[in-house]
Amino acid sequence: QVQLQESGPGLVKPSETLSLTCTVSGVSMSGHYWSWIRQPPGKGLEWIGHIYYSGDTKYNPSLKSRVTISIDTSKSQFSLKLNSVTAADTAVYYCAGDTRNTWYYFWGQGTLVTVSS
Amino acid sequence: EIVLTQSPGTLSLSPGERATLSCRANQSVSSNYLAWYQQKPGQAPRLLIYGASSRAGGIPARFSGSGSVTDFSLTITRLEPEDFAVYFCQQYGSSLTFGQGTKVDI
Repeated sequence: QVQLQESGPGLVKPSETLSLTCTVSGVSMSGHYWSWIRQPPGKGLEWIGHIYYSGDTKYNPSLKSRVTISIDTSKSQFSLKLNSVTAADTAVYYCAGDTRNTWYYFWGQGTLVTVSS
Repeated sequence: EIVLTQSPGTLSLSPGERATLSCRANQSVSSNYLAWYQQKPGQAPRLLIYGASSRAGGIPARFSGSGSVTDFSLTITRLEPEDFAVYFCQQYGSSLTFGQGTKVDI
């Protein structure tokens, strides 16, 4: 059974860096694309970016200047860093994955990150 | 960036009825790169349809997808109580974007 689990602080101060980790179990990270997607409360979904198991990344152009996604296959984890956060970055953050970079079959349960002083 | 517009915003139906949801793109989308998701309150999205018309593993046959180029649709032939949820379409081209969602409620 494939499981993805997000972890990280639930509260981040404005102008600081949001850091989340997704731990993957039940499937090898090899051959998969791993992604971060977010959803502001009561709103729609926004793709943040993805990383291939090899380390190749692609980011949403609207967030590219503030985002870094990295991977540690030895720990079956991939991570998100989003810097210079504002209240607009408050959202449920999901990690997701698939063998293709075109849609996502595997999802974590999501974690709410609130940006507030 | 490809923008996906879903309609209607809310679809009010009863169990047993047929639901047809629309997803329209402002540019051509490769049919291979159009997907539909179902999301229930407090849950992550669940992949229903990929490649515009292929059902993901474990998805009941009452869910079907169709369409091409800029017009796509998701049909639920007979609504079950568990189908009342929000549905998102999603495309992948130079970037990945989602529609704003259609809520199917009773």
